[in-house]
Amino acid sequence: AQTVTQSQPEMSVQEAETVTLSCTYDTSENNYYLFWYKQPPSRQMILVIRQEAYKQQNATENRFSVNFQKAAKSFSLKISDSQLGDTAMYFCAFMKAMNYGGSQGNLIFGKGTKLSVKP
Amino acid sequence: ETGVTQSPTHLIKTRGQQVTLRCSSQSGHNTVSWYQQALGQGPQFIFQYYREEENGRGNFPPRFSGLQFPNYSSELNVNALELDDSALYLCASSRDVLYEQYFGPGTRLTVT
Repeated sequence: AQTVTQSQPEMSVQEAETVTLSCTYDTSENNYYLFWYKQPPSRQMILVIRQEAYKQQNATENRFSVNFQKAAKSFSLKISDSQLGDTAMYFCAFMKAMNYGGSQGNLIFGKGTKLSVKP
Repeated sequence: ETGVTQSPTHLIKTRGQQVTLRCSSQSGHNTVSWYQQALGQGPQFIFQYYREEENGRGNFPPRFSGLQFPNYSSELNVNALELDDSALYLCASSRDVLYEQYFGPGTRLTVT
């Protein structure tokens, strides 16, 4: 069974600075996807970034980038130029990729990291 | 393009009652997944529907059931409610089974 671990329950960062959130996962699969989701206090889960395991290049989306280390099973999120609107819970999630004979696209989430951006 | 919507926003039920939660998927999406998020935890997968058929189920008892309709909207039904069922219920839709999932705002269920 796959598991996702986020070892930092809470973090804080000053506005305009850079912060890195950690995520490790355990799987015997070779093909999978990894995601970071953001859940602001308004509670709607928002997709931040996606990484395919077969891609060596790290995904980036504007101020958000990941450091994907497949051998180490590590998937950290870097937020540059932090903004007050980045304050939220951040969840790392794993999804197994297509297997022959069928697939099930369920997300397995970590427990989350609460990020506070301070002015 | 309309996003994922869920109704109702909040719900209070008594232990032993039954509840139905509703989800409208994003336009062009044929897959709906349901998750339960207890306070302070990450979401837990309940089940997924793909083109009106159940396409996988998490570790939830049979009193959690669902439906997907021809327009790909979905319902989550929970029978014989227990106090531990109190949680935020999230619905997510995706273009297909292995595409990224887009979440609705959730339904907060309180069981007393």
